[in-house]
Order: sequence, then C-alpha cells, then structure tokens
Amino acid sequence: DVKVTQSSRYLVKRTGEKVFLECVQDMDHENMFWYRQDPGLGLRLIYFSYDVKMKEKGDIPEGYSVSREKKERFSLILESASTNQTSMYLCASNNDYSYEQYFGPGTRLTVT
Amino acid sequence: ELKVEQNPLFLSMQEGKNYTIYCNYSTTSDRLYWYRQDPGKSLESLFVLLSNGAVKQEGRLMASLDTKARLSTLHITAAVHDLSATYFCAVGDSGGGADGLTFGKGTHLIIQP
Repeated sequence: DVKVTQSSRYLVKRTGEKVFLECVQDMDHENMFWYRQDPGLGLRLIYFSYDVKMKEKGDIPEGYSVSREKKERFSLILESASTNQTSMYLCASNNDYSYEQYFGPGTRLTVT
Repeated sequence: ELKVEQNPLFLSMQEGKNYTIYCNYSTTSDRLYWYRQDPGKSLESLFVLLSNGAVKQEGRLMASLDTKARLSTLHITAAVHDLSATYFCAVGDSGGGADGLTFGKGTHLIIQP
C-alpha cells in the first residue's frame, strides 16, 4: 500500500515563528503536493514538486516556501507564521503514470 | 483559471434513497477525481475518471464523466448510513500527473436511518 506520512497530526505555534511541516512517501513517487483545507473552501494547492530540488507554485503560495532535497521527502515552510495560516495541511504524492494522488493524514496547525 | 463547482454543498437524505452529486468544471481537463473524507480524517480516493463517457462503480457509488459538458456525477444508490461523509470532486488542469488538482468545496452528506 502507498503510504504518505506527515510529521505531526496537531501543531500549535505562535505568530512569527518559523514552522516546518514534513511529508514522507514510501512509493518512490516523482510528484509531491501540499494543500491546505479550510471549511467551506475545499482544498487549495500551495506548492508542488515534480522532482528533487524542483518546485512549482500552486494557487496560494504566498507566505509559504518548500524544500525537496530527497525524492521521498517534501517540506512545507512557513517563514513567519500568521493567524490566517491556521488550517489543515495535507500532503499528497503520485507518479506520472497513475494520476491518482495519495494523501497523508494531515496536520492541523493552529497559529496563536 | 480552472474553477470547480459542486452541488449541492449539503445534503441530508434517508437510507434507501437515491441521489446524485454534481461536479461542473470550467476548462478542458483530462482527469476527474472523486474523494471521500470522514470527519477528522484524510482524503480517500474513490474514483479517477480519465476519458469522456467513463463510468466507474464501487458498491453503491457510481461516477461518470462527460467531458463535453464538463460535468461529472456521483450517484448514490439505496443510501446507507455508512456513506455519510464529505465528498469532493477534483480536476487536473493539464496532461500528466505532475500538476496539482483543483477541488470543489465538497458536499457534506448526511444519511439518516
């Protein structure tokens, strides 16, 4: 089975802190994605990566950056957390042949 | 800009009834996804539809895709309580699997005994 894991299920941070969200997949997938989910808005794409050290902006990249130093790991970075970044963050991965995206369990981030 | 609209956004129905969730999208796409999400959980993949006229069925759920109308439907047959969840459709906006998905806002489905 495909497994996508995220480093924390719940996280509480203060405004202005630097926050790292980690995602690891074990299926040798080329592509990895970060989404945020907010009530009534569905999921929105923040960033994605199609190869090591490659990244592409999604629909809402402002306030975020990403890092992909190894194929299996994709990190989302909040350089200076703000309260409007309180949300559920979901990581996903896939390869170029199956199309289907597999999601991790999510990290619920609260910024106070 | 690709937009995805689902309706209804909220649906309460009784067990044993049939109903359909609709997903419209604004630009040409070659792939349409349906996901299920239970409260506090992540997304579970239900269907991936890749061609016009595609139809897939799993148990009481059936999904179809009309790329000319830019419309997908998720049909629920003889609903049971266990199908209560939030259902999302999502669309990929270019060929290949490397692009992210654009999601609808989700349909919160409650099935009452």
